[in-house]
Amino acid sequence: AQKVTQAQTEISVVEKEDVTLDCVYETRDTTYYLFWYKQPPSGELVFLIRRNSFDEQNEISGRYSWNFQKSTSSFNFTITASQVVDSAVYFCALSDGSGNTGKLIFGQGTTLQVKP
Amino acid sequence: KAGVTQTPRYLIKTRGQQVTLSCSPISGHRSVSWYQQTPGQGLQFLFEYFSETQRNKGNFPGRFSGRQFSNSRSEMNVSTLELGDSALYLCASSSPTGWTGELFFGEGSRLTVL
Repeated sequence: AQKVTQAQTEISVVEKEDVTLDCVYETRDTTYYLFWYKQPPSGELVFLIRRNSFDEQNEISGRYSWNFQKSTSSFNFTITASQVVDSAVYFCALSDGSGNTGKLIFGQGTTLQVKP
Repeated sequence: KAGVTQTPRYLIKTRGQQVTLSCSPISGHRSVSWYQQTPGQGLQFLFEYFSETQRNKGNFPGRFSGRQFSNSRSEMNVSTLELGDSALYLCASSSPTGWTGELFFGEGSRLTVL
């Protein structure tokens, strides 16, 4: 069965600190996709990144970076120099390798609070 | 372009009643997925529709049902409501071409069952 675990329920940091959100997944598929979504207080989830199982290259987008390690089944997300606007709930998610599907398995989410 | 629109945004029902929630996807998107979000269970997949056909289904009882219309708009229905059905119900749409896995979510319909 597929499963996503985000062990950190809540994280609180002070603005400009770096913060890493952990994500560990389980799947028996050899092809799969991993995602990160952000949920601000308004409620709608916003897509941040997708990574497929064959691409272990780390990715950086501005202050955001992602570290994918198949050996440890982890897909961690780092925010550098955090800002108050980064405060939100962050979800890691997994889908099977069939692609073109709206079915995602989400982790429980990590609530990030960035204090000024 | 307009985002995913869900109606109603808030509603209160009593146990035993039924409820219908509506979702209008982004124009041109033919896949619509529904999720239930609760503090205890988190985000759980309900079902997905594509071209008026259910393509995937989560592990929810038969009281939860859905459908999709020819214009891609979707509705979900919950019959015989239980207290545990209180949740934020999120709808998401995606483009059929050049799949990236990006789902576009609406702001949700918050259901309270009393």
